[in-house]
Amino acid sequence: AQKITQTQPGMFVQEKEAVTLDCTYDTSDPSYGLFWYKQPSSGEMIFLIYQGSYDQQNATEGRYSLNFQKARKSANLVISASQLGDSAMYFCAMRSGSARQLTFGSGTQLTVLP
Amino acid sequence: DAGITQSPRHKVTETGTPVTLRCHQTENHRYMYWYRQDPGHGLRLIHYSYGVKDTDKGEVSDGYSVSRSKTEDFLLTLESATSSQTSVYFCAISEGDRDGYTFGSGTRLTVV
Repeated sequence: AQKITQTQPGMFVQEKEAVTLDCTYDTSDPSYGLFWYKQPSSGEMIFLIYQGSYDQQNATEGRYSLNFQKARKSANLVISASQLGDSAMYFCAMRSGSARQLTFGSGTQLTVLP
Repeated sequence: DAGITQSPRHKVTETGTPVTLRCHQTENHRYMYWYRQDPGHGLRLIHYSYGVKDTDKGEVSDGYSVSRSKTEDFLLTLESATSSQTSVYFCAISEGDRDGYTFGSGTRLTVV
């Protein structure tokens, strides 16, 4: 069975600082994908970044980077230069299986302080 | 943006009544999913579809059924709504291996 664990229910960061949101996963599939989503208070799910299990380099998308450590089964999200608009719930998710379904973690509520 | 819409956006219904939520896509994607979101649980998969009339159960399928008679529509039915089904329901479509899944805006369902 696939499982995603996010151990930080809430995080605070000062504006303009970097923050790391933790995510560990468990799967027996050799091929899988890891995603991070942002959910602001308005409720929509916003795709941030993707890492494939066979990717050799860590994924980056603007201020977002994914620290992928395959042996440790971790896929931490790093947000650089935090902005007030980054305050939101962040979900780590994993795609595996033939039907490509996503399994989500319980989320981390990030608050950026001015 | 990918065309995916959910209806209704909000619904209040009584215990024991049937409820159908609709997900409509304009992208012709093969895979469609229904999730529910509850505090402390993230999003959990209810049912998914990998083609017309091809559906399967997810993690929390009890009390729910789905149908997909056309590529663009994926319906979620609560045969007899219970208070435990009060939740926010999201539909999603899968665009490709490296692309993020696109989610609808969600349906907030309250069962009283």
